[in-house]
Amino acid sequence: GAGVSQSPRYKVAKRGQDVALRCDPISGHVSLFWYQQALGQGPEFLTYFQNEAQLDKSGLPSDRFFAERPEGSVSTLKIQRTQQEDSAVYLCASSPLSVDGSYEQYFGPGTRLTVT
Amino acid sequence: GENVEQHPSTLSVQEGDSAVIKCTYSDSASNYFPWYKQELGKRPQLIIDIRSNVGEKKDQRIAVTLNKTAKHFSLHITETQPEDSAVYFCAASENFGNEKLTFGTGTRLTIIP
Repeated sequence: GAGVSQSPRYKVAKRGQDVALRCDPISGHVSLFWYQQALGQGPEFLTYFQNEAQLDKSGLPSDRFFAERPEGSVSTLKIQRTQQEDSAVYLCASSPLSVDGSYEQYFGPGTRLTVT
Repeated sequence: GENVEQHPSTLSVQEGDSAVIKCTYSDSASNYFPWYKQELGKRPQLIIDIRSNVGEKKDQRIAVTLNKTAKHFSLHITETQPEDSAVYFCAASENFGNEKLTFGTGTRLTIIP
């Protein structure tokens, strides 16, 4: 079946512009995560949804970052007034909420954001 | 919060030899430890994971060991092949993975033909 998809794959924004990054999780996956991956680093947690509820947003670096998942499927990560330090790959991951212990997080291909 | 350290940052291994990557974690509440492989420009993909109630898990050429007392876990790849060349990330999570993953900084593994 289809995996996690993200769009756009690449985004160039001028400093100060707002951007919106989209994630389409695997159908039926309850949990959705956003991570930020700087060049040469491991992914860092940003925020987590279970269905439409945002259960953890402790990783969002500032109030310029906002995420939503209004219908419990597609999610959007919005960054307002982008800064150069926002340049990174933004990864989305989804996982099922399974009682048998299968909690693999499936990652999308990421959106590479470059702020100039 | 959780902190995961990973060593080495780079590793070169002759084809056919074994590779070992080690990670330590700080939060004793972590109970799920996945390993992801990321090829250049591609998404991270799970290659193996282990839960805290198990000490070792093996899948063909790949194995993971966990020492809960010492809070460290390791990835072992035997009979390495050129297609094993990639960046490998360890991670830790509470609630058996149904929460955020805290990743290590990655190991760039190069298999020398």
